[in-house]
Amino acid sequence: KAGVTQTPRYLIKTRGQQVTLSCSPISGHRSVSWYQQTPGQGLQFLFEYFSETQRNKGNFPGRFSGRQFSNSRSEMNVSTLELGDSALYLCASSRTPDNYGYTFGSGTRLTVV
Amino acid sequence: TQLLEQSPQFLSIQEGENLTVYCNSSSVFSSLQWYRQEPGEGPVLLVTVVTGGEVKKLKRLTFQFGDARKDSSLHITAAQPGDTGLYLCAGLRETSGSRLTFGEGTQLTVNP
Repeated sequence: KAGVTQTPRYLIKTRGQQVTLSCSPISGHRSVSWYQQTPGQGLQFLFEYFSETQRNKGNFPGRFSGRQFSNSRSEMNVSTLELGDSALYLCASSRTPDNYGYTFGSGTRLTVV
Repeated sequence: TQLLEQSPQFLSIQEGENLTVYCNSSSVFSSLQWYRQEPGEGPVLLVTVVTGGEVKKLKRLTFQFGDARKDSSLHITAAQPGDTGLYLCAGLRETSGSRLTFGEGTQLTVNP
């Protein structure tokens, strides 16, 4: 059974650029959440999607956005990149929201220079 | 202020020793999850506790959820080098839906 797949694994971008990260959940999982992990702040919730609808959003600026497609795959976009956006971006999936346990992908390591 | 306070932040022990990691909050959680993360990978779910006072065992790992559902602990017996990793507690609050709140993590190193 394939796990949660995140692409790309590594990304280097310049300040001011934008970036799109992709997440393919486990087959049958319809809920996808995104988290940002940094050494200083730990894991911080970005947003959650279920059936193509954003159900929950964290305290991040509007430069961070996402969407979910009918096949449950999800993308997140960060526009006007800042140095502080450098982080490991993790995607987690579950069958339904409020599930007791999530499966995380290996993440996308974004470096902004 | 972190909603979930995890301690200790770092722990370096010898193989065979026992250890306990704590996760505390002033908020009530509907469930508490423990994850282990290795460098360059995403967190892997170890256990979910739901009921106050619940105790779950996973081989040498024992997880406990506080009676008031505000705290949790992870106890490892006879630690092995393979237990090395970042241990994270994460809670779901009834008022936050499916949004997980993570503790800062405990970096455990078990030396052979």
